Amino acid sequence: LAKTTQPISMDSYEGQEVNITCSHNNIATNDYITWYQQFPSQGPRFIIQGYKTKVTNEVASLFIPADRKSSTLSLPRVSLSDTAVYYCLVGDGVTGGGNKLTFGTGTQLKVEL
Amino acid sequence: DSGVTQTPKHLITATGQRVTLRCSPRSGDLSVYWYQQSLDQGLQFLIQYYNGEERAKGNILERFSAQQFPDLHSELNLSSLELGDSALYFCASSVGDRGYTEAFFGQGTRLTVV
Repeated sequence: LAKTTQPISMDSYEGQEVNITCSHNNIATNDYITWYQQFPSQGPRFIIQGYKTKVTNEVASLFIPADRKSSTLSLPRVSLSDTAVYYCLVGDGVTGGGNKLTFGTGTQLKVEL
Repeated sequence: DSGVTQTPKHLITATGQRVTLRCSPRSGDLSVYWYQQSLDQGLQFLIQYYNGEERAKGNILERFSAQQFPDLHSELNLSSLELGDSALYFCASSVGDRGYTEAFFGQGTRLTVV
C-alpha cells in the first residue's frame, strides 16, 4: 500500500499560485496519482489525475517527476473558494486487489484576501 | 451534483441501536465505497464492493456490515451503536475497481448517536 505524505496546512492569498507537494516513495508501477478536494461537511471531489510528467485541466496542473516518488498539485490564481482540504491518493493498482482509495490526512489550504 | 445519492442525510439514534445507510451509485458505476469521517480520524476507508462482490476491506468494525445489491445500490448496516460511531458516512462510486478510476462522492449521511 503506497503511503502518501503531505504538508498539514498551507496559507496563501487570493490571486497567488499554490503548489502542494505529495511524497509517495513506494508507489507501484501500476499506480496512478489522484488529487481530491474536500469542503467542510461535503464529500471529496476529484480534481486531477496523472501517471507521469504533466497533466493540466481547467482547474489545476499536476507535475510528476520521472521517478514518480512525488507529485505537485498546482492551483493557479487561487480564490477564497479554494479554501479546502486537498488529498493526494495513490491507487492500489493490484490486479484483483480492489481499490482502497486510501485518503491520508490531507493539506488544509487557507486562502485569505 | 455528483450523481451519487445517499439517504438519509441526517440520522439521530440512541446507543445500542441499529441503523442502515443507503447509497445509490452513479448510473453505470459498478464500484461502491464506504467511508467514515469523524473529527479526530479523518476519512477512513471502510469497504469496497464491485458489481456485488466485496473487493477491498479497510478498518471496518465487526459491528458494521455492508452489501451491494443486484441493482448496484449499497447499504451500510451499523449495529450496537456507540457514541464514538457518530460521524459523517460517505459513499462513493466509480466505474472500475482500480486506482485509476475517478470516484464520485455523495453528500454523506451525518449520524449522531446519543
